Amino acid sequence: DQQVKQNSPSLSVQEGRISILNCDYTNSMFDYFLWYKKYPAEGPTFLISISSIKDKNEDGRFTVFLNKSAKHLSLHIVPSQPGDSAVYFCAADGGYQKVTFGTGTKLQVIP
Amino acid sequence: DTAVSQTPKYLVTQMGNDKSIKCEQNLGHDTMYWYKQDSKKFLKIMFSYNNKELIINETVPNRFSPKSPDKAHLNLHINSLELGDSAVYFCASSQVVGVGADTQYFGPGTRLTVL
Repeated sequence: DQQVKQNSPSLSVQEGRISILNCDYTNSMFDYFLWYKKYPAEGPTFLISISSIKDKNEDGRFTVFLNKSAKHLSLHIVPSQPGDSAVYFCAADGGYQKVTFGTGTKLQVIP
Repeated sequence: DTAVSQTPKYLVTQMGNDKSIKCEQNLGHDTMYWYKQDSKKFLKIMFSYNNKELIINETVPNRFSPKSPDKAHLNLHINSLELGDSAVYFCASSQVVGVGADTQYFGPGTRLTVL
């Protein structure tokens, strides 16, 4: 049972435009959500997080939106840059140090 | 300095063999994890240790045995390797702060190939 889903395995965006990566979850007990970025042959690195009591968190070019009623979150990258090309994992923290990851979305930013 | 390191980076071995993957973190974190990323790219938690104590064991076969000699190290030993064990294994660490998301720091991964 996959509790965190990223239904788009890949996304291509032109440099300078907005990238929107989506994530859906099923467990209403998740209280924090995180996005990780992964380059080939490296481990995932933390990007941004959001608490379930908020609906938006911003950090520079990255903004995460949370819609609790729809059990949906999204990561917006504006403007997109070629260096943003990577796999992005959505993750949900249900407490007790257990984080559930989605399957990832491969973003390609075209110069 | 590498925050979370794993050795080896690549491991190719025959079915039935026993192998170990080592992980070390120099961040002073209390909690360490092992994840498996399979061919479908699904990143799934296997174990977590907090101060050398097992916290999470996610229905992993008994052939997998984590060992934490101290809180900076969490090694993964795998007995009787099977073809389905082929995957990339990631070690991670975090500092449990009680409030907020516990950001995890990942190692570079170990690609295990079982022939």
